[in-house]
Amino acid sequence: QQQVKQSPQSLIVQKGGISIINCAYENTAFDYFPWYQQFPGKGPALLIAIRPDVSEKKEGRFTISFNKSAKQFSLHIMDSQPGDSATYFCAASGVHYDMRFGAGTRLTVKP
Amino acid sequence: GAVVSQHPSWVICKSGTSVKIECRSLDFQATTMFWYRQFPKQSLMLMATSNEGSKATYEQGVEKDKFLINHASLTLSTLTVTSAHPEDSSFYICSATLAGGTDTQYFGPGTRLTVL
Repeated sequence: QQQVKQSPQSLIVQKGGISIINCAYENTAFDYFPWYQQFPGKGPALLIAIRPDVSEKKEGRFTISFNKSAKQFSLHIMDSQPGDSATYFCAASGVHYDMRFGAGTRLTVKP
Repeated sequence: GAVVSQHPSWVICKSGTSVKIECRSLDFQATTMFWYRQFPKQSLMLMATSNEGSKATYEQGVEKDKFLINHASLTLSTLTVTSAHPEDSSFYICSATLAGGTDTQYFGPGTRLTVL
């Protein structure tokens, strides 16, 4: 059962552009929404996370936008760099619900 | 802080043998550790959740007798793949949450298992 839907599956962005990845969840009991970055052959690394009590969180070039009523959240990467090329996973979890991951988005930033 | 290590980073074994993978939280105590499996170009699939000193909780469809999990201390969990077969070849990743902390999971670097 896929509880977190992620799109697009792949994304190509020019250096300096904005990368946008979207996720939608089904379970309204989810209350923690992290984004992970994964390079080939490595484990995922926490990038940024948000809780439903705020609509936006920014850390450096990374911003999460959260829409509780629509049950959607997105990751924006400003001024995208070739080093940002990786696979990004959104996820969601709750007090009584284990973390569920989206299918992943393979981001390629062209120089 | 919040570093998780895994050992080995990769392993090749013959079909029918058992393989043990260790997951350690290096600078924190982990109440709960998770084991995931990831096939190429796919997402992470939760296999089981383990709490220190108690039996692991397995996800539906994961054979508990094949994937033995032991969480002997607050810093160590092990996954043993018993009687491994080629279809068990995958990338196994563990994660841990801080004892008394938030929902944040800190992931290990993963272990690449290849069964010949």
